[in-house]
Amino acid sequence: DAKTTQPPSMDCAEGRAANLPCNHSTISGNEYVYWYRQIHSQGPQYIIHGLKNNETNEMASLIITEDRKSSTLILPHATLRDTAVYYCIVRVEGAQKLVFGQGTRLTINP
Amino acid sequence: EPEVTQTPSHQVTQMGQEVILRCVPISNHLYFYWYRQILGQKVEFLVSFYNNEISEKSEIFDDQFSVERPDGSNFTLKIRSTKLEDSAMYFCASSQVAFRYEQYFGPGTRLTVT
Repeated sequence: DAKTTQPPSMDCAEGRAANLPCNHSTISGNEYVYWYRQIHSQGPQYIIHGLKNNETNEMASLIITEDRKSSTLILPHATLRDTAVYYCIVRVEGAQKLVFGQGTRLTINP
Repeated sequence: EPEVTQTPSHQVTQMGQEVILRCVPISNHLYFYWYRQILGQKVEFLVSFYNNEISEKSEIFDDQFSVERPDGSNFTLKIRSTKLEDSAMYFCASSQVAFRYEQYFGPGTRLTVT
């Protein structure tokens, strides 16, 4: 699976959009980008995933660059409950396991 | 909303003892997984299970570990002879299919080996 690089930590003000970057410059054509988050020591929670088109769901938006070498997860109106570690995972088609890195620790400040 | 459940939430055991961690995956899911997270470290994949057999396992998943789906609802992880380094959070997950669908994680079981 392609390696991902994320900033170790970020801060965002409550109510503002949180934009979390992820670099995956070695991604190949059949690899998807997944985002999960982990609040405290709870089980990881799925957020969104995509291949090359931008995706949006009720939780977030995923913007993937045209060359697919990087992506951004956008939480449009961050709340205190969005404070968590966010993981960007690149997963090859057919792979069953998720390979977690260190992620980005996002802190939402009041 | 359906969810993955795990029991117990916290298990304390002595080194060398056997433990069984239990999970109830989401009912229409076909793929089941165990991950672990040692305190302060990354979430690590242990094993995936489909059609009553292991489909993929990591180097961590050695002969001390086994998984089983004893009935139509439970999915268990057994550690035969626990070591201090087995102390971790153990997360069960399930998914409808293997790929392009999200894995849903349970709340975890904190295993403490003394």
